[in-house]
Amino acid sequence: AQRVTQPEKLLSVFKGAPVELKCNYSYSGSPELFWYVQYSRQRLQLLLRHISRESIKGFTADLNKGETSFHLKKPFAQEEDSAMYYCALNGDDKIIFGKGTRLHILP
Amino acid sequence: DSGVTQTPKHLITATGQRVTLRCSPRSGDLSVYWYQQSLDQGLQFLIQYYNGEERAKGNILERFSAQQFPDLHSELNLSSLELGDSALYFCASSVYISGGGFTGELFFGEGSRLTVL
Repeated sequence: AQRVTQPEKLLSVFKGAPVELKCNYSYSGSPELFWYVQYSRQRLQLLLRHISRESIKGFTADLNKGETSFHLKKPFAQEEDSAMYYCALNGDDKIIFGKGTRLHILP
Repeated sequence: DSGVTQTPKHLITATGQRVTLRCSPRSGDLSVYWYQQSLDQGLQFLIQYYNGEERAKGNILERFSAQQFPDLHSELNLSSLELGDSALYFCASSVYISGGGFTGELFFGEGSRLTVL
């Protein structure tokens, strides 16, 4: 069965410090993985996808099939990064989300 | 606004009742997804439709049903409501290419908040 695990419900990081939001997945096939973000009073929206290997708003994520992980990283946190972050997996036409991690950037 | 629209935004009803939530996808998107977000449960995948046909099913209760109409809007019907059905119900749409798969981006509505008393 597909499963996405985000072990941290809340992550507080000082402005300028590095950020790492953890995501582990379980899927027997070849997964497609995504990070979605929900800023305050905005809709849930795509942040980045693993196949694009892109950096969005300074965030990157690398798929590690050996560790079945897709952690989201940013070297220097900014206050506008405060939001709810969800890791998602597309497998068998089901797009499954983790429970989310709230990122709080401290001034 | 050509984004995903959901109605109603808020709904309060009693146990045992039935409600219908409506979703209009983005213009041009053929695929619609329904999710339930309860406290501490994250986004639970319920069901996906593509161009009127059911494509994938998650942990959707038998008391719940959905359909996608020829104009591509979708409705989620929740019946014999229980207190535990209180949640935020999200609809999302995507460009889904039959045979080519998912393009990688879901566009979400603002959600319908259901409160069962």
